[in-house]
Amino acid sequence: AQSVTQLDSQVPVFEEAPVELRCNYSSSVSVYLFWYVQYPNQGLQLLLKYLSGSTLVKGINGFEAEFNKSQTSFHLRKPSVHISDTAEYFCAVKQTSGGYQKVTFGTGTKLQVIP
Amino acid sequence: EAQVTQNPRYLITVTGKKLTVTCSQNMNHEYMSWYRQDPGLGLRQIYYSMNVEVTDKGDVPEGYKVSRKEKRNFPLILESPSPNQTSLYFCASRGPSQPQHFGDGTRLSIL
Repeated sequence: AQSVTQLDSQVPVFEEAPVELRCNYSSSVSVYLFWYVQYPNQGLQLLLKYLSGSTLVKGINGFEAEFNKSQTSFHLRKPSVHISDTAEYFCAVKQTSGGYQKVTFGTGTKLQVIP
Repeated sequence: EAQVTQNPRYLITVTGKKLTVTCSQNMNHEYMSWYRQDPGLGLRQIYYSMNVEVTDKGDVPEGYKVSRKEKRNFPLILESPSPNQTSLYFCASRGPSQPQHFGDGTRLSIL
């Protein structure tokens, strides 16, 4: 079984300030890790993914995330946010092997960028 | 353009009136899924399919049916909708070991 915890349901931050959105996961097997972004009235778009290799992963729109295996975390960061980053962000995990490789999502974090 | 298309985007209906939400993908993906999104609960998987004629229950399958007669289509069927099925629904598809591609969502209101 696997699970994803996003402890912060909402994160307000001023424009041009840095932000970190936290994600912790639990799994008995190896996993791939993902961050998705959902803008209002839209579906989810892939922001970045960790499959293997370097633990620092860079994604679109200036976001990056770091995989920390010992802390089972995959926190999302951006050094300077823009108004257009206002959206809901979902962390997700997927088993690396097995038949179906189910994807499990966290409950989401709403990022509100304040002008 | 690679995409997952859901229809309708919005629907208001009444309890007990059967409805179908269609989903189609043009990426030749084997795997397709339906999710519902509710405030504070994130995305919960309803059903998934690993290929044509292969479907299985997700975490919240009660009250829903699916079929996969063709690789590109994966309709979600509510035989007798109830108000607790009012939600935002997403269809997604992917290849093996790949990220999900999502549709734009279907907002269902069941009165």
